[in-house]
Amino acid sequence: DTAVSQTPKYLVTQMGNDKSIKCEQNLGHDTMYWYKQDSKKFLKIMFSYNNKELIINETVPNRFSPKSPDKAHLNLHINSLELGDSAVYFCASSHGAEGYGYTFGSGTRLTVV
Amino acid sequence: AQKVTQAQTEISVVEKEDVTLDCVYETRDTTYYLFWYKQPPSGELVFLIRRNSFDEQNEISGRYSWNFQKSTSSFNFTITASQVVDSAVYFCALDRPGTASKLTFGTGTRLQVTL
Repeated sequence: DTAVSQTPKYLVTQMGNDKSIKCEQNLGHDTMYWYKQDSKKFLKIMFSYNNKELIINETVPNRFSPKSPDKAHLNLHINSLELGDSAVYFCASSHGAEGYGYTFGSGTRLTVV
Repeated sequence: AQKVTQAQTEISVVEKEDVTLDCVYETRDTTYYLFWYKQPPSGELVFLIRRNSFDEQNEISGRYSWNFQKSTSSFNFTITASQVVDSAVYFCALDRPGTASKLTFGTGTRLQVTL
């Protein structure tokens, strides 16, 4: 009964490929996020969705496209992967405008070779 | 713009020592939320505390305590009698209210507790 689950946990792929990371939450939260943690451990928001609507897009390249089919799911598709995309990607969810119950998934370590 | 500064990049202590992790934030919002997260070597982000800007009471949870001082825009975290299992990277984060809510993280402090 994992609260925020993301798959896969590890992803190794070649430059130029397209890949997706899936995220699902069973907490009934209305807001979901993608955060990126780089090799220096710096965590930065990429996107947020509230009830399937894109709210935040933090100057992320167009190669990254989030998709939210319903408020329990937020997937991340990445086209034409580059070496610099190697990072850990965290999905998160929260409830309401005050960010109650901010919960993170366990992360997806993406390695582009 | 919101900003969180964790000036201590890395701290090493011997088990049973007390250690304080510093966090200084900047925001123009009058209502905001402060968080601490722990990231152990296994990589997950573990929620420790959430505090809103109107609640300046210090909080204690077991060996953990937090000191929120609005006057100095600081939200420091103290671990009493540290243990090896406390070894991790600790992140302080700031959130704004509203549908554009997002966590702004500090750069993290790596705590190493040795025997």
